[in-house]
Amino acid sequence: EAGVVQSPRYKIIEKKQPVAFWCNPISGHNTLYWYLQNLGQGPELLIRYENEEAVDDSQLPKDRFSAERLKGVDSTLKIQPAELGDSAVYLCASSLDGYTEAFFGQGTRLTVV
Amino acid sequence: AQKVTQAQTEISVVEKEDVTLDCVYETRDTTYYLFWYKQPPSGELVFLIRRNSFDEQNEISGRYSWNFQKSTSSFNFTITASQVVDSAVYFCALSEAGYSTLTFGKGTMLLVSP
Repeated sequence: EAGVVQSPRYKIIEKKQPVAFWCNPISGHNTLYWYLQNLGQGPELLIRYENEEAVDDSQLPKDRFSAERLKGVDSTLKIQPAELGDSAVYLCASSLDGYTEAFFGQGTRLTVV
Repeated sequence: AQKVTQAQTEISVVEKEDVTLDCVYETRDTTYYLFWYKQPPSGELVFLIRRNSFDEQNEISGRYSWNFQKSTSSFNFTITASQVVDSAVYFCALSEAGYSTLTFGKGTMLLVSP
């Protein structure tokens, strides 16, 4: 069974440019998460979806970050415009529902220069 | 508010040594879940174990074992006879009842040398 797939694995952009990350969760998983992991830190939740509904986006910086999960499957996380401080690893995870363990993708490492 | 503390930033051992990774948590809920994840250099977080707050039985899986003690709010992870392939960052995490969102500790980097 395929795991959580994220792309791209690495992205380097100049500040003020837009960037988007894509996530394909495990088939049949209704809950999808985007986490942010800064260097030397544990992941922190950005947004959680139950099917296509964002049920927890309290930590998402809405002035520059946006996310969508059309049809309750794939998801895209966007940053516009990117800032130097956005350099981090963006992790996507999915779980069967909101009560079971989450499985993570390999992440997208973003470097903003 | 919930919090997870992993006081050990980095641990270095020689292969075949036993090593214990500490995890202390804080939560106001009586029902919660505790997790351990492994993050190898490839970056993917690998799920290791999930325990609920009502199950304090220790668990053993091969060379891995977990000790859950509610009295001290700890959920420690022991690797017996460590191997080089165990080298990774290990994260302890907590979720409260009814919510799968995880609160992670800062992680412990384990280096196992031959």
